[in-house]
Amino acid sequence: DAKTTQPNSMESNEEEPVHLPCNHSTISGTDYIHWYRQLPSQGPEYVIHGLTSNVNNRMASLAIAEDRKSSTLILHRATLRDAAVYYCILRDVNAGGTSYGKLTFGQGTILTVHP
Amino acid sequence: AAGVIQSPRHLIKEKRETATLKCYPIPRHDTVYWYQQGPGQDPQFLISFYEKMQSDKGSIPDRFSAQQFSDYHSELNMSSLELGDSALYFCASSPRIFGNTEAFFGQGTRLTVV
Repeated sequence: DAKTTQPNSMESNEEEPVHLPCNHSTISGTDYIHWYRQLPSQGPEYVIHGLTSNVNNRMASLAIAEDRKSSTLILHRATLRDAAVYYCILRDVNAGGTSYGKLTFGQGTILTVHP
Repeated sequence: AAGVIQSPRHLIKEKRETATLKCYPIPRHDTVYWYQQGPGQDPQFLISFYEKMQSDKGSIPDRFSAQQFSDYHSELNMSSLELGDSALYFCASSPRIFGNTEAFFGQGTRLTVV
């Protein structure tokens, strides 16, 4: 499985933007970049995903480098409810092989949001 | 919208007992994944099923088995429980176009082995 690297932790103030980086230098052409977050004692929650182009949804934006070896999750205005562990995960588009869309959670980024 | 349903939400078992965890995926999702998350750890992939066949296997102990039934729900059977099996167990489901779709996670089953 292609691996991702994220900072252990980041801090932000409420109402400010947050940029969460992720490196994935061994990404393959069929890997989508997914972001999930997890609040304590809850199941992981989908945030956003993309392949090559930048993506926006109601929760966040995803900026993908031109060479696809890194990406950044952008929370435009952090709230206290955004405090969570954020995981950057590569998800293969193909069925078969050894993947079938398995999400492999590595060490995510613990985001602390200060009031 | 319907979500992934896991039951039970909490389970307390004694050592050497067995436990069965159930997962009901979102309708029309044909892929189910099971994860184990110990205290302070990241979710670890156990096993997955695609169209009722085992599709991938992770760090699942031999004491555990799982299957996906004709209605696509899945069950994780755990035997000879050990104290170290105490964890949150998550199930996720996904439609088959994996990369370009999201996986939906249930709220988990908290298993405590005493």
